Amino acid sequence: DTAVSQTPKYLVTQMGNDKSIKCEQNLGHDTMYWYKQDSKKFLKIMFSYNNKELIINETVPNRFSPKSPDKAHLNLHINSLELGDSAVYFCASSQSPRMNTGELFFGEGSRLTVL
Amino acid sequence: DAKTTQPTSMDCAEGRAANLPCNHSTISGNEYVYWYRQIHSQGPQYIIHGLKNNETNEMASLIITEDRKSSTLILPHATLRDTAVYYCIVRSRDKIIFGKGTRLHILP
Repeated sequence: DTAVSQTPKYLVTQMGNDKSIKCEQNLGHDTMYWYKQDSKKFLKIMFSYNNKELIINETVPNRFSPKSPDKAHLNLHINSLELGDSAVYFCASSQSPRMNTGELFFGEGSRLTVL
Repeated sequence: DAKTTQPTSMDCAEGRAANLPCNHSTISGNEYVYWYRQIHSQGPQYIIHGLKNNETNEMASLIITEDRKSSTLILPHATLRDTAVYYCIVRSRDKIIFGKGTRLHILP
């Protein structure tokens, strides 16, 4: 079974549309993350949720809205998509972040292309 | 912002040990050093982490200097499948911030 799974793997859409990416982890972890990897391959953290509570919100436009219905799921909804949103979005999970140890488990990524 | 400095790229011959350096001169006493790698088109993969002592697992060894200002990841017998971008990360309390990493090319 895949530990961290994301859907869809590929998403092509037009500017101005609204889209969602879903993430699920079956590791029993308390914390989930969204990272964005742009065309220059920089991996940047966007959000982190711990037990459904938002704990990290980097400087991300409010068109991006994460939603965590339970601690095993963290979905990313993007409104009014722009060309610059084209990237690979990675979901990850870990044990509680309130400690300096604990590895991140990443999903395989969702490649979003905005035309 | 990333708190580590790594070479942009490195080459290593297949079967040889790959030694990837990392500088983290501003590391705090309770911050761990983590290494991840990202093989093309895949999600980052955890390799190893350490605080003060050298660490070894089935994938690699991590050598941390006594002053903790730098470390080296060692892949003892590199294979073509080890071609990837390797990220050295100093983990703060709440988040893992990735730098630019080192692109390791394993040469046949």
